[in-house]
Amino acid sequence: DAKTTQPTSMDCAEGRAANLPCNHSTISGNEYVYWYRQIHSQGPQYIIHGLKNNETNEMASLIITEDRKSSTLILPHATLRDTAVYYCIVRVGGSQGNLIFGKGTKLSVKP
Amino acid sequence: KAGVTQTPRYLIKTRGQQVTLSCSPISGHRSVSWYQQTPGQGLQFLFEYFSETQRNKGNFPGRFSGRQFSNSRSEMNVSTLELGDSALYLCASSYHRPGLNYGYTFGSGTRLTVV
Repeated sequence: DAKTTQPTSMDCAEGRAANLPCNHSTISGNEYVYWYRQIHSQGPQYIIHGLKNNETNEMASLIITEDRKSSTLILPHATLRDTAVYYCIVRVGGSQGNLIFGKGTKLSVKP
Repeated sequence: KAGVTQTPRYLIKTRGQQVTLSCSPISGHRSVSWYQQTPGQGLQFLFEYFSETQRNKGNFPGRFSGRQFSNSRSEMNVSTLELGDSALYLCASSYHRPGLNYGYTFGSGTRLTVV
């Protein structure tokens, strides 16, 4: 079973920051937080991952709380093309590869 | 750089038939995973291959099988198809061996419809 809880849906105005929360209260010390997104009819796209430090790349920023029980994915300037289902996944470091997807958050970016 | 290529994109089969789906990973990627996506169950892991060996397997019946070739290309086979096997089948590849913390690149999937 997925070890994360995400809101079912969220709206965001185009050009504004989109902040997507994720709760993972049972996370263990060696488990990483991954984010993927899936645009309709396409395969999931890797966004970012982290262990305990905040991470940033060209797509997004990942903020992980100090107790690691929750995290937030930030899309700094959302565009209409960011409309997708966003999945927050907790994965054991060193595990044999498989990702356990939950239901995700449907983000709708509106003009 | 070409992405993960899955063929065919769409497929219609009859109950009881068998089907083979193909996945060509990104050049140089050695790890290939397969997932099934349905509206009811979401994305579920099927199996992962690395260096022609199955490294991990999800909770699917034995009708679902796969293999990986020496060039890292992978196929999955479903025998004795059931209506419930209708789904989007996704393949993902990674350069790294299973267990390392890197992202996977997914293909666009094969949409299988069983009638």
